[in-house]
Amino acid sequence: GDSVTQMEGPVTLSEEAFLTINCTYTATGYPSLFWYVQYPGEGLQLLLKATKADDKGSNKGFEATYRKETTSFHLEKGSVQVSDSAVYFCALSDHNYGQNFVFGPGTRLSVLP
Amino acid sequence: DTEVTQTPKHLVMGMTNKKSLKCEQHMGHRAMYWYKQKAKKPPELMFVYSYEKLSINESVPSRFSPECPNSSLLNLHLHALQPEDSALYLCASRPPGQGNTEAFFGQGTRLTVV
Repeated sequence: GDSVTQMEGPVTLSEEAFLTINCTYTATGYPSLFWYVQYPGEGLQLLLKATKADDKGSNKGFEATYRKETTSFHLEKGSVQVSDSAVYFCALSDHNYGQNFVFGPGTRLSVLP
Repeated sequence: DTEVTQTPKHLVMGMTNKKSLKCEQHMGHRAMYWYKQKAKKPPELMFVYSYEKLSINESVPSRFSPECPNSSLLNLHLHALQPEDSALYLCASRPPGQGNTEAFFGQGTRLTVV
């Protein structure tokens, strides 16, 4: 079945450091890929998405590129802030079976001032 | 309106109680989801409704009973729960059959079973 693998962390960075969270996937179909963020005590919010190969999703300084050849969707940000401290989930949804999301295990990010 | 609203935000119930969680959206989405999330874990799918019909039940115990009375409302009825059912319960909605769209999540109900 479909699956998502991501580095689980926790990841601890200093403010203004560069962030990379790796995400790779396996899927039998042709998925769309998503990054969701969850702040403490809250639900999940969409951070960005990409629906086909070579698409780049971006939002709030975060970027991720859909790489079909490496089945990856790594999340990057050039300069993190304390307010970016949260849990980040990589997820996929298969176009052929579009009713469910498959989530990765989540990566906890802590940014220190 | 791009919100999914869940009530209550917090719920404490005994193992013999009956309670219900409510989820509402007015975005015209015709697929609605219940997820269960334990601490430090990803959301785990429980149920999916598509056009008010149950389309996915991930082998959830019968003490959880979903209901979709109309296209805007989703309920989760709880009865005879166990302490291990304590978790954050998340509702989400999404346009059905569109694998390239995102799901919109509510803030969740934090359930504690005592």
